Amino acid sequence: AAGVIQSPRHLIKEKRETATLKCYPIPRHDTVYWYQQGPGQDPQFLISFYEKMQSDKGSIPDRFSAQQFSDYHSELNMSSLELGDSALYFCASSLQGRSYEQYFGPGTRLTVT
Amino acid sequence: AQKITQTQPGMFVQEKEAVTLDCTYDTSDPSYGLFWYKQPSSGEMIFLIYQGSYDQQNATEGRYSLNFQKARKSANLVISASQLGDSAMYFCAFKGAGSYQLTFGKGTKLSVIP
Repeated sequence: AAGVIQSPRHLIKEKRETATLKCYPIPRHDTVYWYQQGPGQDPQFLISFYEKMQSDKGSIPDRFSAQQFSDYHSELNMSSLELGDSALYFCASSLQGRSYEQYFGPGTRLTVT
Repeated sequence: AQKITQTQPGMFVQEKEAVTLDCTYDTSDPSYGLFWYKQPSSGEMIFLIYQGSYDQQNATEGRYSLNFQKARKSANLVISASQLGDSAMYFCAFKGAGSYQLTFGKGTKLSVIP
């Protein structure tokens, strides 16, 4: 079965640079979620989208923005990167109304040097 | 705000034995869901099991079962017949009915001993 696709899988950036992470949900899934997991930490919810509209917002820094496109894929844009942004970034997807069935992608490991 | 507590940072279990991973939660929401995810060292988050707050029966999925005690606000994961491949971090998570986000506990690192 098709799963959530995230690209790139690994990314190395320097401080103050920008990064864009991409997420392609499971076919027919219309809701996407972004989570950030710092080293040795539990995942923290950042933001979610349904039908290109923000559906919920968590602890997403102002330096980050995200959007969902008409084909339901989503991008997380991160600017002015800081060392503390080094983390594993997960995208998850679900059908609207079934947010209890969030399927996680493999994650993008971002390292900021 | 909801709070999820996993009191066991690490657990050891002998292969083929059963193990229980603890999870308690604190919420005033009347409707919610509880989840368990497995995270191997490779990093992916694997969904294991889900329990709705109004479900009358405890959820089961193969070797995984969720011991749900609503009055005590606990949702412990029971893994039967442990296998070496069960060695991983296990996260308990909560979702309120009106919310999209999952709130995770700090996790329990399970090590299965041959």
